[in-house]
Order: sequence, then structure tokens, then C-alpha cells
Amino acid sequence: GQQLNQSPQSMFIQEGEDVSMNCTSSSIFNTWLWYKQDPGEGPVLLIALYKAGELTSNGRLTAQFGITRKDSFLNISASIPSDVGIYFCAGQNAGGTSYGKLTFGQGTILTVHP
Amino acid sequence: DGGITQSPKYLFRKEGQNVTLSCEQNLNHDAMYWYRQDPGQGLRLIYYSQIVNDFQKGDIAEGYSVSREKKESFPLTVTSAQKNPTAFYLCASRDRGRDTQYFGPGTRLTVL
Repeated sequence: GQQLNQSPQSMFIQEGEDVSMNCTSSSIFNTWLWYKQDPGEGPVLLIALYKAGELTSNGRLTAQFGITRKDSFLNISASIPSDVGIYFCAGQNAGGTSYGKLTFGQGTILTVHP
Repeated sequence: DGGITQSPKYLFRKEGQNVTLSCEQNLNHDAMYWYRQDPGQGLRLIYYSQIVNDFQKGDIAEGYSVSREKKESFPLTVTSAQKNPTAFYLCASRDRGRDTQYFGPGTRLTVL
């Protein structure tokens, strides 16, 4: 089946630093989604990307849908302590019986030191 | 308040017992999903339903069963056939217009 490789697995940064994480896939997706999960909670949607090459921002977060449709990255600028959590990428298929099915990366654990 | 609710938040069961996890949404979404999350891992799809009275197996359906009798509800039963049921279970529903999934708060199941 499809697999997503998300990197890095974990990051330890100082408050104020910028962060970058990415996902690569062995196959094409039609939509890329980025989620953040706090401990013991469900993932919360941060950014959705729908078109190859698309660059979208949400406050201090910026994400891009790769031109090849096999990768995506998420940047967080000027990190703050509440950015701590696990960030997941997810690729979505379209069409057929797999319509709407998400494939998730393994997650990036972000720790921000004040 | 619109959203997805899962209950209970924490659930303890003895080995060999079936247990049903609740998922309800009032977002008027057609499609609903169940995922399993193990420590340090991403989410894996158990079952999904694109419409009432229809559902499909995901990547790890063995030992689980679902029903979809109402649009708002998609309960998951963890049966005694599931070899390693202790995990964090997440339910989601899909906004077809935005082509995105939204998650509930999760249920942590511990089998003793």
C-alpha cells in the first residue's frame, strides 16, 4: 500500500526559531493535509492543500503541495511554547472506493524550549 | 455546538470481552472513519463508511466490526478476536466540500 515518510521524527528547538518538516510519498496524492495533535487529544487540522505547487499560510504556519504531488512540507516561523505537539501529514486519494481515504505520516514530535 | 463526540474518554476491559466505542457527529457529514493510534506511530485506518448502511474495511480491520444505521453515528466494536486491542481510537468525519477530515477527541482503550 501507499506509504508516507515524514521527517524529522522529532525536533528540539528554542523559542523563536523556525521549524521545517516534510513528507514524501511513493505515489501521488490529490490532497495534502497537515494536522497537530496534543497529548491525549484528537488531531486538529492546520492546513489543507489541494493543488500541485500550492503554497498556503495560516498565521505562522506555511505549507506547500509539491509539484510532483508526492511531497509536502510544513514550516512554522518564530516558534512559541504552545507549538509543542505532534505534527502529522496526511495524503488523500480521490476517486473509486478509496475516495477520501487518508494515509498518515509517522508524525514529527516538536519540543520548544522557552 | 457542532462537532464530533466520542465516549467514553477512557475505557477499561478485561481480555476476552467485546467492547463498543461510540462516535457521534452533528456536522451532517456523509463519510465517517475509525483510526487506531499506537504510541509513537501514525494513524492507521480500521473501517470507513461513505454513506448510511455502507462501510468498507480499512488497512487493519481484523478483530473489529462497525455499523452505520444512522448518518450521525458510527460505532466501533473491538472484539475478542483483536489480538492487541489496547490503543487510542480516533473517529473522524469528512467534509466533502472542503475535502478534509475532522477528528473527535479519541477514546483510550486499555484491555487488562
